[in-house]
Amino acid sequence: DIVMTQSPDSLAVSLGERATINCKSSRSVLYSSNNKNYLAWYQQRPGQPPKLLIYWASTRESGVPDRFSGSGSGTDFTLTISSLQAEDVAVYYCQQYFTTPPYTFGQGTKLEIK
Amino acid sequence: QLQLQESGPRLVKPSETLSLTCTVSGGSISSSSYYWGWIRQAPGKGLECIGSIFYTGTTYYNPSLRSRVTISVDTSNNQFSLKLTSVTAADTAVYYCARESPITGSLWGQGALVTVSS
Repeated sequence: DIVMTQSPDSLAVSLGERATINCKSSRSVLYSSNNKNYLAWYQQRPGQPPKLLIYWASTRESGVPDRFSGSGSGTDFTLTISSLQAEDVAVYYCQQYFTTPPYTFGQGTKLEIK
Repeated sequence: QLQLQESGPRLVKPSETLSLTCTVSGGSISSSSYYWGWIRQAPGKGLECIGSIFYTGTTYYNPSLRSRVTISVDTSNNQFSLKLTSVTAADTAVYYCARESPITGSLWGQGALVTVSS
């Protein structure tokens, strides 16, 4: 199985400031035939199911604000929120879907307001 | 718009079998583009994949749960189901069903809190 490791475990950022969450996979999730990274990011607000934000490491899901962006390739990935809003308080998860299921998750990063 | 809804008993006794069904609406479970999965989240914890199924019935299980898990699909009713045997308090969690795309990630149901207690 591919192991996903996120850092940090928790993060406090001031409103309007940038938040950065990292995700590392135990092996590459880059599919060479199409040059796509099979890595997604989810947001989970309290009491809610996870919501897909980004797939293919950097493609925003429809309706996701453009302050959310994803980057990286191979084994190292980053989710960036360019200007933190109050509604962005949540736990964020990365997930690989490079292998057949189960598609493994990182342990989550809790984002709070400083 | 695709929707997934979990149903089943919310209270299960220790050593018994947890059974949940996910009903899919707004799309066909027989699509060759997706897997259909179960994920759980213990209180205050992260996400744990339980397993997935393709509409043909091919299953994929988390090795740590494989001996206790069965996932099945009912294409005629657009449903798929989870059975987890010999449950303990450690199996208390919110259980989510999800449509899993090998292209664009997963779409989730609202989740069902299942408590294991006598």
